[in-house]
Amino acid sequence: AQKVTQAQTEISVVEKEDVTLDCVYETRDTTYYLFWYKQPPSGELVFLIRRNSFDEQNEISGRYSWNFQKSTSSFNFTITASQVVDSAVYFCALSPIIQGAQKLVFGQGTRLTINP
Amino acid sequence: DAGITQSPRYKITETGRQVTLMCHQTWSHSYMFWYRQDLGHGLRLIYYSAAADITDKGEVPDGYVVSRSKTENFPLTLESATRSQTSVYFCASRNRGPNSPLHFGNGTRLTVT
Repeated sequence: AQKVTQAQTEISVVEKEDVTLDCVYETRDTTYYLFWYKQPPSGELVFLIRRNSFDEQNEISGRYSWNFQKSTSSFNFTITASQVVDSAVYFCALSPIIQGAQKLVFGQGTRLTINP
Repeated sequence: DAGITQSPRYKITETGRQVTLMCHQTWSHSYMFWYRQDLGHGLRLIYYSAAADITDKGEVPDGYVVSRSKTENFPLTLESATRSQTSVYFCASRNRGPNSPLHFGNGTRLTVT
Protein backbone atom coordinates (compact mmCIF):
# COMPACT_ATOMS: atom_id res chain seq x y z
CA ALA A 1 0.00 0.00 0.00
CA GLN A 2 1.11 3.51 -0.67
CA LYS A 3 1.16 6.23 1.91
CA VAL A 4 2.30 9.83 2.04
CA THR A 5 2.90 11.54 5.35
CA GLN A 6 3.21 15.25 5.84
CA ALA A 7 3.79 15.44 9.55
CA GLN A 8 3.66 19.24 9.71
CA THR A 9 0.01 20.22 9.79
CA GLU A 10 0.69 23.94 10.01
CA ILE A 11 3.78 26.10 9.75
CA SER A 12 3.97 29.80 10.37
CA VAL A 13 7.05 31.90 9.63
CA VAL A 14 7.94 35.51 9.13
CA GLU A 15 8.52 36.78 5.64
CA LYS A 16 12.04 36.26 4.26
CA GLU A 17 12.67 33.23 6.43
CA ASP A 18 13.51 29.93 4.78
CA VAL A 19 11.04 27.13 5.38
CA THR A 20 11.08 23.41 4.64
CA LEU A 21 8.01 21.27 4.20
CA ASP A 22 8.57 17.60 4.94
CA CYS A 23 7.18 14.71 2.94
CA VAL A 24 7.80 11.05 3.73
CA TYR A 25 6.35 8.28 1.62
CA GLU A 26 5.87 4.54 1.66
CA THR A 27 5.56 2.36 -1.39
CA ARG A 28 6.38 -1.15 -2.52
CA ASP A 29 6.75 -0.03 -6.10
CA THR A 30 10.28 0.21 -7.40
CA THR A 31 9.39 2.96 -9.82
CA TYR A 32 7.17 5.85 -8.94
CA TYR A 33 6.54 9.56 -9.28
CA LEU A 34 6.46 12.16 -6.56
CA PHE A 35 4.62 15.45 -6.86
CA TRP A 36 4.07 18.68 -5.02
CA TYR A 37 0.91 20.73 -5.43
CA LYS A 38 0.07 24.16 -4.03
CA GLN A 39 -3.39 25.22 -2.93
CA PRO A 40 -3.53 29.00 -2.39
CA PRO A 41 -6.35 30.62 -0.41
CA SER A 42 -8.39 30.91 -3.61
CA GLY A 43 -8.74 27.13 -3.50
CA GLU A 44 -7.40 25.84 -6.78
CA LEU A 45 -4.69 23.20 -6.89
CA VAL A 46 -1.56 24.12 -8.78
CA PHE A 47 1.02 21.62 -9.96
CA LEU A 48 4.54 22.53 -8.83
CA ILE A 49 6.86 19.64 -9.61
CA ARG A 50 7.08 15.99 -10.60
CA ARG A 51 10.03 13.78 -9.80
CA ASN A 52 10.59 10.19 -10.85
CA SER A 53 12.27 7.62 -8.65
CA PHE A 54 15.13 7.18 -11.12
CA ASP A 55 16.33 10.69 -10.63
CA GLU A 56 17.59 11.69 -7.21
CA GLN A 57 19.01 14.99 -8.32
CA ASN A 58 17.76 17.89 -6.33
CA GLU A 59 15.90 20.54 -8.23
CA ILE A 60 15.81 24.28 -7.87
CA SER A 61 13.32 26.64 -9.43
CA GLY A 62 13.78 30.21 -8.30
CA ARG A 63 13.12 30.32 -4.57
CA TYR A 64 11.80 26.77 -4.57
CA SER A 65 13.95 23.68 -4.17
CA TRP A 66 13.21 20.02 -3.70
CA ASN A 67 15.36 17.44 -1.98
CA PHE A 68 14.64 13.84 -2.95
CA GLN A 69 16.31 11.16 -0.85
CA LYS A 70 15.36 7.64 -1.73
CA SER A 71 17.33 6.24 1.21
CA THR A 72 15.01 7.98 3.66
CA SER A 73 11.91 7.95 1.42
CA SER A 74 11.63 11.68 1.63
CA PHE A 75 10.84 14.43 -0.84
CA ASN A 76 11.14 17.70 1.03
CA PHE A 77 10.30 21.12 -0.30
CA THR A 78 12.16 24.27 0.70
CA ILE A 79 11.13 27.84 0.08
CA THR A 80 13.98 30.30 0.38
CA ALA A 81 13.32 33.90 1.40
CA SER A 82 9.61 33.23 1.81
CA GLN A 83 7.02 35.75 0.72
CA VAL A 84 3.45 36.37 1.77
CA VAL A 85 2.27 35.03 -1.60
CA ASP A 86 3.73 31.66 -0.64
CA SER A 87 0.98 31.26 1.95
CA ALA A 88 -0.98 28.19 0.91
CA VAL A 89 -1.63 24.56 1.66
CA TYR A 90 0.98 22.34 0.08
CA PHE A 91 0.36 18.73 -0.82
CA CYS A 92 2.88 16.03 -1.53
CA ALA A 93 1.67 13.10 -3.63
CA LEU A 94 2.91 9.74 -4.93
CA SER A 95 1.97 7.50 -7.82
CA PRO A 96 3.47 4.38 -9.37
CA ILE A 97 4.85 4.82 -12.86
CA ILE A 98 3.33 1.66 -14.26
CA GLN A 99 -0.24 2.18 -13.18
CA GLY A 100 -0.24 5.93 -13.46
CA ALA A 101 -2.04 8.70 -11.73
CA GLN A 102 -5.20 6.74 -10.99
CA LYS A 103 -3.24 5.56 -8.00
CA LEU A 104 -2.11 9.03 -7.00
CA VAL A 105 -2.07 9.26 -3.23
CA PHE A 106 -1.90 12.60 -1.45
CA GLY A 107 -0.54 13.52 1.91
CA GLN A 108 -2.74 15.42 4.34
CA GLY A 109 -1.23 18.75 3.40
CA THR A 110 0.77 21.39 5.25
CA ARG A 111 -0.75 24.80 5.76
CA LEU A 112 1.99 27.39 5.38
CA THR A 113 1.42 30.91 6.60
CA ILE A 114 3.94 33.62 5.81
CA ASN A 115 3.51 36.62 8.06
CA PRO A 116 4.64 40.07 6.93
CA ASP B 1 -11.24 29.26 -22.55
CA ALA B 2 -9.43 25.97 -22.47
CA GLY B 3 -9.18 24.19 -19.17
CA ILE B 4 -11.23 22.28 -16.69
CA THR B 5 -14.35 23.78 -15.20
CA GLN B 6 -16.55 22.63 -12.39
CA SER B 7 -20.07 23.67 -11.61
CA PRO B 8 -21.56 24.77 -9.39
CA ARG B 9 -18.86 26.42 -7.25
CA TYR B 10 -21.08 26.21 -4.18
CA LYS B 11 -24.04 23.99 -3.42
CA ILE B 12 -26.22 23.51 -0.38
CA THR B 13 -28.53 20.54 -0.34
CA GLU B 14 -30.55 18.55 2.14
CA THR B 15 -29.95 15.07 3.39
CA GLY B 16 -31.49 12.50 1.10
CA ARG B 17 -31.53 14.65 -2.02
CA GLN B 18 -29.78 13.73 -5.22
CA VAL B 19 -27.19 16.19 -6.41
CA THR B 20 -24.91 16.19 -9.43
CA LEU B 21 -21.60 17.99 -9.68
CA MET B 22 -20.44 18.77 -13.17
CA CYS B 23 -16.97 18.67 -14.63
CA HIS B 24 -15.96 19.67 -18.15
CA GLN B 25 -12.51 19.74 -19.73
CA THR B 26 -11.48 21.10 -23.09
CA TRP B 27 -8.08 19.43 -23.44
CA SER B 28 -9.42 16.06 -24.63
CA HIS B 29 -7.53 14.43 -21.78
CA SER B 30 -8.06 10.71 -21.53
CA TYR B 31 -8.17 10.48 -17.77
CA MET B 32 -10.56 12.26 -15.44
CA PHE B 33 -10.85 12.05 -11.69
CA TRP B 34 -13.00 13.09 -8.77
CA TYR B 35 -11.41 13.82 -5.41
CA ARG B 36 -12.87 15.04 -2.18
CA GLN B 37 -10.90 17.22 0.20
CA ASP B 38 -11.54 17.02 3.92
CA LEU B 39 -9.61 18.43 6.82
CA GLY B 40 -7.14 15.88 8.12
CA HIS B 41 -7.51 13.62 5.09
CA GLY B 42 -5.98 15.60 2.26
CA LEU B 43 -7.44 14.61 -1.09
CA ARG B 44 -9.02 11.21 -1.53
CA LEU B 45 -9.92 9.66 -4.85
CA ILE B 46 -13.61 8.89 -5.31
CA TYR B 47 -13.78 7.66 -8.91
CA TYR B 48 -11.73 7.94 -12.03
CA SER B 49 -12.16 7.31 -15.72
CA ALA B 50 -9.54 6.22 -18.23
CA ALA B 51 -11.69 7.04 -21.27
CA ALA B 52 -15.29 7.49 -22.32
CA ASP B 53 -17.48 4.70 -20.93
CA ILE B 54 -14.68 3.42 -18.70
CA THR B 55 -14.87 4.22 -15.01
CA ASP B 56 -13.43 2.70 -11.87
CA LYS B 57 -13.63 3.13 -8.14
CA GLY B 58 -11.11 4.99 -6.09
CA GLU B 59 -10.50 5.00 -2.38
CA VAL B 60 -13.90 6.32 -1.20
CA PRO B 61 -16.59 5.49 -3.83
CA ASP B 62 -19.52 4.63 -1.57
CA GLY B 63 -22.53 6.89 -2.05
CA TYR B 64 -21.32 8.24 -5.39
CA VAL B 65 -22.07 7.45 -9.00
CA VAL B 66 -20.20 8.62 -12.09
CA SER B 67 -20.66 8.39 -15.82
CA ARG B 68 -18.58 9.36 -18.80
CA SER B 69 -20.57 9.25 -22.01
CA LYS B 70 -18.34 11.91 -23.58
CA THR B 71 -14.60 12.40 -23.17
CA GLU B 72 -15.00 15.98 -22.03
CA ASN B 73 -17.58 15.47 -19.28
CA PHE B 74 -17.38 13.54 -16.04
CA PRO B 75 -20.34 14.25 -13.75
CA LEU B 76 -20.41 13.04 -10.15
CA THR B 77 -23.77 12.21 -8.60
CA LEU B 78 -24.61 11.80 -4.96
CA GLU B 79 -27.71 9.64 -5.15
CA SER B 80 -28.91 10.34 -1.62
CA ALA B 81 -26.74 12.97 0.01
CA THR B 82 -25.58 12.51 3.59
CA ARG B 83 -23.96 14.99 5.98
CA SER B 84 -20.72 13.05 5.77
CA GLN B 85 -20.54 14.03 2.12
CA THR B 86 -20.15 17.67 3.03
CA SER B 87 -16.80 18.42 1.47
CA VAL B 88 -14.92 20.23 -1.26
CA TYR B 89 -14.94 18.22 -4.47
CA PHE B 90 -12.23 18.53 -7.07
CA CYS B 91 -12.34 17.28 -10.60
CA ALA B 92 -9.03 16.67 -12.37
CA SER B 93 -7.81 15.48 -15.72
CA ARG B 94 -4.58 14.39 -17.28
CA ASN B 95 -3.33 13.15 -20.55
CA ARG B 96 -2.39 9.57 -21.26
CA GLY B 97 1.06 8.71 -19.96
CA PRO B 98 1.99 8.23 -16.32
CA ASN B 99 4.24 11.28 -16.19
CA SER B 100 1.48 13.71 -17.06
CA PRO B 101 0.52 15.86 -14.09
CA LEU B 102 -3.04 16.27 -12.94
CA HIS B 103 -4.80 19.50 -13.78
CA PHE B 104 -7.49 20.42 -11.30
CA GLY B 105 -10.70 22.37 -11.52
CA ASN B 106 -11.47 25.09 -9.00
CA GLY B 107 -13.54 22.83 -6.82
CA THR B 108 -17.17 22.62 -5.68
CA ARG B 109 -17.95 23.27 -2.06
CA LEU B 110 -20.89 21.07 -1.13
CA THR B 111 -22.79 21.39 2.12
CA VAL B 112 -25.36 18.78 3.08
CA THR B 113 -27.73 19.94 5.81
